[in-house]
Parts: sequence; C-alpha cells; structure tokens
Amino acid sequence: AQKITQTQPGMFVQEKEAVTLDCTYDTSDQSYGLFWYKQPSSGEMIFLIYQGSYDEQNATEGRYSLNFQKARKSANLVISASQLGDSAMYFCAMRGGDMTTDSWGKLQFGAGTQVVVTP
Amino acid sequence: DSGVTQTPKHLITATGQRVTLRCSPRSGDLSVYWYQQSLDQGLQFLIQYYNGEERAKGNILERFSAQQFPDLHSELNLSSLELGDSALYFCASSVSPTGDEQFFGPGTRLTVL
Repeated sequence: AQKITQTQPGMFVQEKEAVTLDCTYDTSDQSYGLFWYKQPSSGEMIFLIYQGSYDEQNATEGRYSLNFQKARKSANLVISASQLGDSAMYFCAMRGGDMTTDSWGKLQFGAGTQVVVTP
Repeated sequence: DSGVTQTPKHLITATGQRVTLRCSPRSGDLSVYWYQQSLDQGLQFLIQYYNGEERAKGNILERFSAQQFPDLHSELNLSSLELGDSALYFCASSVSPTGDEQFFGPGTRLTVL
C-alpha cells in the first residue's frame, strides 16, 4: 500500500526567504509519480510540479523545485523567494504507475502543510 | 484557470436527498478523477474514468456512483445523503490514464443539513 507523509502541519516564512516543505513516501511500485499541489484559502487545487520516479534530474517550475531523493523516499518542495501570495496549504501526492496495481492513476495525498508568508 | 469546470459551485441539501455533481474535463483530456476533501478524512480518491470506462476505484461508498459520458463529461451521484457527506468534491482530468499532471476543477462544496 502507498503512503504519503507530511510531518509539518504548519510553517511561517518571511517574505523573500526560501522554504522547504517535507514529504516522504512509501510504495512498492517501481514506477510512480510525485506531485505537489497548492490550495489557497479560496479552495481550488493548483498543480505546481511533477517528478517521475525515473527522472534523473530534479523537477523545477519557476520558483518551485522538487528535491527528489529516491533512496530516502523523499520529495521535498522548495519554494524560493517566498511571496505573500504563496500563503496556502500545500499537498504532496503520489500515484502508482503500474496498471496492474490498484494504485494506477489515482493520487494519494498527504495531510498537507499550511504555509503562512509574513511581510 | 485549470480548464476543468465543475457545477454547481455550492450545494446545500438535506439528509436523505440525492444530488448530482457535474464535471467537464480540459479539452483533450480523456481521464476524469473524483476526489473528496473533508476535515476528518483529508483528500481521498473516489473513482477514475478513462474514455468512458471505469479504471480505478477508491474509497467510494455504495451510495455514490459516477459515470463518464461519450462527450467525456462526468457526473458523480450521491444518494441517501448523510451529514458526514458534507465535503468539497473535486474533479480532476488528465490526458493519460496514468494520471500524470492531473488538473483540478474548482470543486463543489456540498453541505448536508
């Protein structure tokens, strides 16, 4: 069975500083994908970044980068130069990649980390 | 704007009633997923459809059912509603059936009184 763990329920970060959000996972699938989503107070889920298990390079999207350490089963999100608009709940998620398993396609989410960016 | 649309945005109903949530995926996306977000359970996968066929099932109650139509829009039917069904219901879509880069709709907030 898959499991996603986000151990930080909440964090404060000062504007313009970088912040790292922790995510560890557990899966027996050889192929899988890792995602980060942002959920502002308005409620929508915004896709931020994706890392495939076979990708050798860490994924980056603008100010977001994913620190993927496969051996440690961690997929931490780094937000550089935080902005006030980054205040939101952040979810790490995983999907299995093997169509023979029941984890195929669906995303399993962690509990989330609430980030508050202060001026 | 993710390109995924969901209607209605808010729904208030009473226990025992039945409701239908509607989702239109992004243009070109064949796969549709339904998720439930509640305070006690967090974000839970309910069901996935790909090109009209059910592909994966999660923690979906027997009182809930879904389908994907030939035009690829999907509906989630919730019946015999209970107070605990109050939640934010998300639809997501992706091009492939393996769920890479799932894009979420704005959600339907269901309140059962």
